[in-house]
Amino acid sequence: NAGVMQNPRHLVRRRGQEARLRCSPMKGHSHVYWYRQLPEEGLKFMVYLQKENIIDESGMPKERFSAEFPKEGPSILRIQQVVRGDSAAYFCASSPEGLYNEQFFGPGTRLTVL
Amino acid sequence: DAKTTQPTSMDCAEGRAANLPCNHSTISGNEYVYWYRQIHSQGPQYIIHGLKNNETNEMASLIITEDRKSSTLILPHATLRDTAVYYCIVRALNTGTASKLTFGTGTRLQVTL
Repeated sequence: NAGVMQNPRHLVRRRGQEARLRCSPMKGHSHVYWYRQLPEEGLKFMVYLQKENIIDESGMPKERFSAEFPKEGPSILRIQQVVRGDSAAYFCASSPEGLYNEQFFGPGTRLTVL
Repeated sequence: DAKTTQPTSMDCAEGRAANLPCNHSTISGNEYVYWYRQIHSQGPQYIIHGLKNNETNEMASLIITEDRKSSTLILPHATLRDTAVYYCIVRALNTGTASKLTFGTGTRLQVTL
C-alpha cells in the first residue's frame, strides 16, 4: 500500500509567485488535512477537507491561501503571491472514515520563498 | 481539545525503556489520548492512542492513569532510530467525522549508545 504522497518535495518560489502543493491520500481515505510547520516551530493545523467539501478551515490564513479536494485527483493547497513568511514545511495527512481514525502523514513539501 | 504538558527533552540509553510522560489534567470524557512522533523533519508518525484502558501495539505501550489526567508512553527497548520529537495530543472524536490534531511542543527524545 502506497502511503500519503506529496509533491513536489521541495519548491522554490520568488516573492509574488504562486505555489501549488499536491497531496494524494492513501487508497480508500476520504479525509485530508493540511498542516504547516514553520522553521523551529511545531505543526499547526490549517484545513480539513473531505471530497469536494471543506469541513474546517479555522487554521487557514484568510488571504492568499486556498485548498481543494476534488472528486477526482489530489488535494491541492494553493498559496497566491507568496511572501518570505510562507517558507515552511507543509504536511498533508489522510484518514479513513470512522471514529477511530488516526491520521497518516505524507513526507511534506518544503517551500522556500526567495 | 484539552491542553497537554510534556517535558521539553529526555535522554534514554539504547536498549532501555523510554518512558515519556504527558499531563492532560483538563481532559474531557470524550477525549482520547494520541501519541505521534516526528523524526527529523519527516512527516509525523502515528504511534498509539487510548481512551482509558492501557493499550499496547508493536511500537509502544500507553499507560493512562485511572483519573485520566496523565499518561505515559513506553518504548520498551529504545533504539537510535527512536530519536525523535514525541507529541502527546488530546483529541475529541466527533460522531461520523474526524477532527484536527493540535500539536504542542512535544518531548525531544535522544537515544544514546
